[in-house]
Parts: sequence; C-alpha cells; structure tokens
Amino acid sequence: EADIYQTPRYLVIGTGKKITLECSQTMGHDKMYWYQQDPGMELHLIHYSYGVNSTEKGDLSSESTVSRIRTEHFPLTLESARPSHTSQYLCASSEEGPDEQFFGPGTRLTVL
Amino acid sequence: AQKVTQAQTEISVVEKEDVTLDCVYETRDTTYYLFWYKQPPSGELVFLIRRNSFDEQNEISGRYSWNFQKSTSSFNFTITASQVVDSAVYFCALSSYNQGGKLIFGQGTELSVKP
Repeated sequence: EADIYQTPRYLVIGTGKKITLECSQTMGHDKMYWYQQDPGMELHLIHYSYGVNSTEKGDLSSESTVSRIRTEHFPLTLESARPSHTSQYLCASSEEGPDEQFFGPGTRLTVL
Repeated sequence: AQKVTQAQTEISVVEKEDVTLDCVYETRDTTYYLFWYKQPPSGELVFLIRRNSFDEQNEISGRYSWNFQKSTSSFNFTITASQVVDSAVYFCALSSYNQGGKLIFGQGTELSVKP
C-alpha cells in the first residue's frame, strides 16, 4: 500500500487567500508530481520534481508554485486563490521515470 | 506528441455483465509504458497495471484482463462478471523515458455497474 499523504483533504477559502497544499511520502521516492483534476475529467500535470531542489512546470499552466527542500515533502502554494483555482489537486510519487506513480487521496479545493 | 484517447465517456452495465474499456494511444517512442488506474468516488487513484511496449502478452488478474495490441495501438481493459464495487472512473495512461516518465492520461471512462 502506498504511503503518500495529502492535507487538507477538503478546503474552502475566500478569494485572495494564500494557501499551501501539503504532500508527503514515506517511500523515499525521488520523483514527485502535482496534478489538477476537475470533477470527472482527465488529470493535468502542473508541477513535477526529480529530486531535492529540482522543480519543473508541467503541461498545464498553473499560477501555483512548488518547492522540494526535502525528499519526502512537496508542497504546493497558491499566493492568491481565485475561484478559477477550484479543483481537485492530486499528488503522486514514483521511484523511476516510467514506474507506476502512487497517488495521494487528493485535496478538493473550493475558492469562493 | 504523445496522446491517449478513451473514446467511451460513460458506460453503464448491469451487475455480472462483462465490460470492456477501450484505450488507444499515440507515441513516437519505441519504448513506452501503458497503465490503467481506477478512481473510485472517494477520489484517490488506484494503480491497476503497468505494461511495457515489448510485452504484448495479455494479462489476467482475477476478474480483470488487459489486451495490448501494438498493431492497433490499443490497450483495452475488460472486467468479467462486473460488480457494483467496480463502479469508478478508469484512466488509461502512457509514459516513456523520453518524456521523463511523466504520465499522459486519457480522458477517463466512467463505469457504472447497477445491481
């Protein structure tokens, strides 16, 4: 069973607030990913990291930022949340490139 | 460019029916990997299978089976004797070393199994 955690699971906030979505994994994986998914729709990669101090933007442009100071921790930050950021955010990790990615339970974000 | 197409947006079956979910992919890489994930209503993605491009053998795991055909660039997923617990959104995905191991997902197929 995968050991990847996301907090909070649900978040409702007002426009303009700064938020950080937490993601941690205990598997020692170098590669970590953030996906954005609207309900019932496909997943879009917004950020990824291949190791400590490595971060890259994904295929879908996002106003969020990420950091990777520790192997196990890959937080995502929105400096000023807007209603267009309302979505589910899924964090994942993998050992090697084309290995299966293990997903966290997701954070459902609603910005009012 | 890499692309995954799941043409079936929604499928509804009655319990115990067999159901096949289609997946067609596009890639120029000669070495690549195909995946199926299940997303139940709770929202997390559950890994089901990974298949590399050099292994075209069909695979069976309990009620699940996968048919990989390079000639038609397809990686279809069949559930035999479906159950209500199979109700979920199923995603097919593609990855390769040339793409840095990033997963390219299809649009997903929502399967509803009714009692």
